[in-house]
Amino acid sequence: DAGITQSPRHKVTETGTPVTLRCHQTENHRYMYWYRQDPGHGLRLIHYSYGVKDTDKGEVSDGYSVSRSKTEDFLLTLESATSSQTSVYFCAIRGGSGMEKLFFGSGTQLSVL
Amino acid sequence: GESVGLHLPTLSVQEGDNSIINCAYSNSASDYFIWYKQESGKGPQFIIDIRSNMDKRQGQRVTVLLNKTVKHLSLQIAATQPGDSAVYFCAEKAGRDDKIIFGKGTRLHILP
Repeated sequence: DAGITQSPRHKVTETGTPVTLRCHQTENHRYMYWYRQDPGHGLRLIHYSYGVKDTDKGEVSDGYSVSRSKTEDFLLTLESATSSQTSVYFCAIRGGSGMEKLFFGSGTQLSVL
Repeated sequence: GESVGLHLPTLSVQEGDNSIINCAYSNSASDYFIWYKQESGKGPQFIIDIRSNMDKRQGQRVTVLLNKTVKHLSLQIAATQPGDSAVYFCAEKAGRDDKIIFGKGTRLHILP
């Protein structure tokens, strides 16, 4: 597997609480992505980053924020978790222009009760 | 994981037969396409990719066909094996746009 670590692997939280998921890479790749995966919806892009402090919205960004203060870490924050954010969250990385292949982490199963 | 596959279209194929998984894309500006395989409980893994200046690309036991006229992509798996059982996703990227957008996926079920 590419050097991607997601933490935590599983989390159960309550509605209204803040939650932060972490993606850590050891590949020094420029691009990092957060996706969520739900039954019937496949993988949907939440946010992505194209460099330190450079981020942009994806298809389903409402209710989520991200931060990238250094190349190796990309954080996804749910400011006030809702039950609709129960999902499996995947982080992915890619090298850069001409290197479009994504390499995925193992995912974080988040349950919001 | 497996719960994701329960709501997906399923293709059932006899072991040893060829499998064809289809994908329609909507963005006419997309010029790079990728197929991923996802086994239960794991993240998606890259299988094969193709750029829009090609119609066909072959890998080991897999072939991707691209028809830009009808915005259609297919993944052919030769001599399907039990280890091919998984959910398969196509993904697309358009030019300098850094977003990589996935389709909803197809579950491949191998019959003994």
